[in-house]
Amino acid sequence: LAKTTQPISMDSYEGQEVNITCSHNNIATNDYITWYQQFPSQGPRFIIQGYKTKVTNEVASLFIPADRKSSTLSLPRVSLSDTAVYYCLVGERTNAGKSTFGDGTTLTVKP
Amino acid sequence: GAVVSQHPSWVICKSGTSVKIECRSLDFQATTMFWYRQFPKQSLMLMATSNEGSKATYEQGVEKDKFLINHASLTLSTLTVTSAHPEDSSFYICSARDLRLPGTQQYFGPGTRLTVT
Repeated sequence: LAKTTQPISMDSYEGQEVNITCSHNNIATNDYITWYQQFPSQGPRFIIQGYKTKVTNEVASLFIPADRKSSTLSLPRVSLSDTAVYYCLVGERTNAGKSTFGDGTTLTVKP
Repeated sequence: GAVVSQHPSWVICKSGTSVKIECRSLDFQATTMFWYRQFPKQSLMLMATSNEGSKATYEQGVEKDKFLINHASLTLSTLTVTSAHPEDSSFYICSARDLRLPGTQQYFGPGTRLTVT
């Protein structure tokens, strides 16, 4: 399983753009990159998923360089409600395609 | 989007008793479900992977006789914590995947808070 490394914590202010980078140096050819958000005492919530290049949805963008050894989650104009733990997962799409959660990044948005 | 439910959302039990937690995919068929445990201020730890109609695959260090997993249908998986002890108190979260869809997205349940007294 590809191991992921993220910053333990980040601080930001309301209205700013936040970029969280995840390193996954031993990512395999079949692996997808997925980001989740988790609030205390809740299950993780899907944010975005990608395989290569750039993916954008209504809440975030995901940038993946050509070598796929890292990825960056970009949250535009964060608000206080974006304060949460963000996890980057790398996993393959097979029956045994489990993913291992890393330590995650605790994002604190300040007013 | 796809919804996964868990029942109960919280449970308190006495040491030595068994507790069953249900995980249901409400609007899709889950060919694979995962069970995680999360202690306060820590990340999710994968306990086991269950595939419909076959035995669960447990992660190293997880006792399969203590944490019984059954995935009898494409919409239901259960985790039974047998002879629970205070150290089993934790937040248990299930997730489900539908391999007929592209990507590897897991749909997570809301979690079950287990407290063993």
